[in-house]
Order: sequence, then C-alpha cells, then structure tokens
Amino acid sequence: DQQVKQNSPSLSVQEGRISILNCDYTNSMFDYFLWYKKYPAEGPTFLISISSIKDKNEDGRFTVFLNKSAKHLSLHIVPSQPGDSAVYFCAALITQGGSEKLVFGKGTKLTVNP
Amino acid sequence: DTGVSQDPRHKITKRGQNVTFRCDPISEHNRLYWYRQTLGQGPEFLTYFQNEAQLEKSRLLSDRFSAERPKGSFSTLEIQRTEQGDSAMYLCASSLAWGAGQPQHFGDGTRLSIL
Repeated sequence: DQQVKQNSPSLSVQEGRISILNCDYTNSMFDYFLWYKKYPAEGPTFLISISSIKDKNEDGRFTVFLNKSAKHLSLHIVPSQPGDSAVYFCAALITQGGSEKLVFGKGTKLTVNP
Repeated sequence: DTGVSQDPRHKITKRGQNVTFRCDPISEHNRLYWYRQTLGQGPEFLTYFQNEAQLEKSRLLSDRFSAERPKGSFSTLEIQRTEQGDSAMYLCASSLAWGAGQPQHFGDGTRLSIL
C-alpha cells in the first residue's frame, strides 16, 4: 500500500523551460511534504518543503504547490538547468505518538537537455 | 559544515555473515533515522532515535536487525545472519526536532551486497 505516489518514472525537458514533477498521497495525516534530489552514489539532498496548512512555498527557482483537496503536490523548477538532472523524491512527514518518519515515493528521474 | 557521515560506503559479504554499519550525524542534531533503499524504490523507514532512545521500529526491521545509539551521538546498525534480500542501500539521516523547521539530512549511504 503506497501512501506517496510518483506516477511518472521519468521526465525530459529542455534547458530554460519549466520542469513540473508531480506527487499524489493518500494519508490525510501527513504534516509536511518535502522534495529531495538524488544524484547517483550520493544520499538524497533536501530541496524544499511545505506545511500541510500552506498551499505554496517558493525558494529561488523551486516552487512547491499543495492541493489538499486533491491530495496532490507538485514541484516546479524554472528555469531548468542541466545540473538539475537527477532523481527527485517526494516525501511526506508523519508524526505520531512522539515519533516521526518520512514516507517516500519511488522517484522521478529528471533529465534536462542542453 | 560537516554533514552526515556513513561508514563503510560499500560492504560485500557472504550470506549468513554479520555486518555492522556506522552513522555519524550532524553534531547538533538530536534525531537520527535509518532508511533502506532498494533499486527502483524510494527510501523506506527502518528506525528512529531521539537522543539515545529508540522511539520507533518499522515492521521491516526483523529480529536479525538491531540499531543502537549510545550516548545519543553516533549510531550503529547491525544485521545478523545476512540474507540475499538484505542487499540494499542503507541510509542514515539526522535532524533537529521538526518544530524547529529542520528537514532530515541524509548521508551518502552504505551499499550492502550479499553474495
């Protein structure tokens, strides 16, 4: 039972254009949503997060949008750069009874072509 | 800025052997997590420490797995009697309490291969 779903295994865009990565979730108890970027042979690197009570958060070229009614979030990268090529993971934070953990999607491999 | 450090980066062992991995979190972080990632999947939660207390263990963590965090600093993850299915990337992460608005920061992982 996958609580966080990234339905697109891969995405290819041209340099300078917008990249839109999508994520759906099923658990209404998630408190925060995060996006991580992962290069080969490295651990995931935090990019940006959004609280479940917000609908938008922006940090430079990265913007995350949250639609709670649709249980959907998206990461926009504008403009896309070749260095953005990586696997992007959507993750949801759940805190219960003094514990907390991240639940990850399977990832979307983004390729930005020069 | 010293990040999360994991050792070793790679471990190759025969089925049935015991292995131990080490994680050194960011020094001021009081929370430490272990995750496991297999090919084509996102990281899956294994266990969580706040200081030296282990507060949650996933059902993925069978009796062959044990994690410790003595003195609330570094942590070790031991797998006894390894099986083929244990082959994966084991990731460690650390964070301050989420109320401070800090995300989990990951190390580069230990890749375990069972022959």
